[in-house]
Amino acid sequence: SQQGEEDPQALSIQEGENATMNCSYKTSINNLQWYRQNSGRGLVHLILIRSNEREKHSGRLRVTLDTSKKSSSLLITASRAADTASYFCATDRGGADGLTFGKGTHLIIQP
Amino acid sequence: GEEVAQTPKHLVRGEGQKAKLYCAPIKGHSYVFWYQQVLKNEFKFLISFQNENVFDETGMPKERFSAKCLPNSPCSLEIQATKLEDSAVYFCASSQQPNQPQHFGDGTRLSIL
Repeated sequence: SQQGEEDPQALSIQEGENATMNCSYKTSINNLQWYRQNSGRGLVHLILIRSNEREKHSGRLRVTLDTSKKSSSLLITASRAADTASYFCATDRGGADGLTFGKGTHLIIQP
Repeated sequence: GEEVAQTPKHLVRGEGQKAKLYCAPIKGHSYVFWYQQVLKNEFKFLISFQNENVFDETGMPKERFSAKCLPNSPCSLEIQATKLEDSAVYFCASSQQPNQPQHFGDGTRLSIL
């Protein structure tokens, strides 16, 4: 069952601005991951943060995790038109029991 | 291969017919996962495999859905007696280890008429 909720559901910003998306979840987790989905394609892994980590960076991406609030945020800095996509957070409980996804944020970068 | 390959890209079936989807995971990846995406959001986990063994099938509607991952063959997901609500995009993913990032294929779009 879905336990993650992304917010906002849709976000439209100008190229060059920063984009922030939030994700909440309900149960305890092992890892939290962020994925990107371009229209008509599969998910592409962006970044993984473990439950004992608070912040992680990868290029223009910054992810935070607050396990006390059961929430995470994804920041994309200096956005580009190519960042236009849907972004999903996903949690796992360890093992190979599959990921639990949020509903996604649709990000549009206006040139 | 270096990508998860799913076939076919599109599959159209009449209600009540059988549908079979295939997935070739990345070579060397021992874990395979199937997900269902309805209406461009809401991914639902269906089943996972460790090699040819089912690891977790808690998401599978067992009455009509079945899946296999046999040695030296693509993995498959089969839906018997399809219903309109089975219309969705079905994604396969694979990983080397269970807690590592999953690599997704581009999905099979199943349309039930």
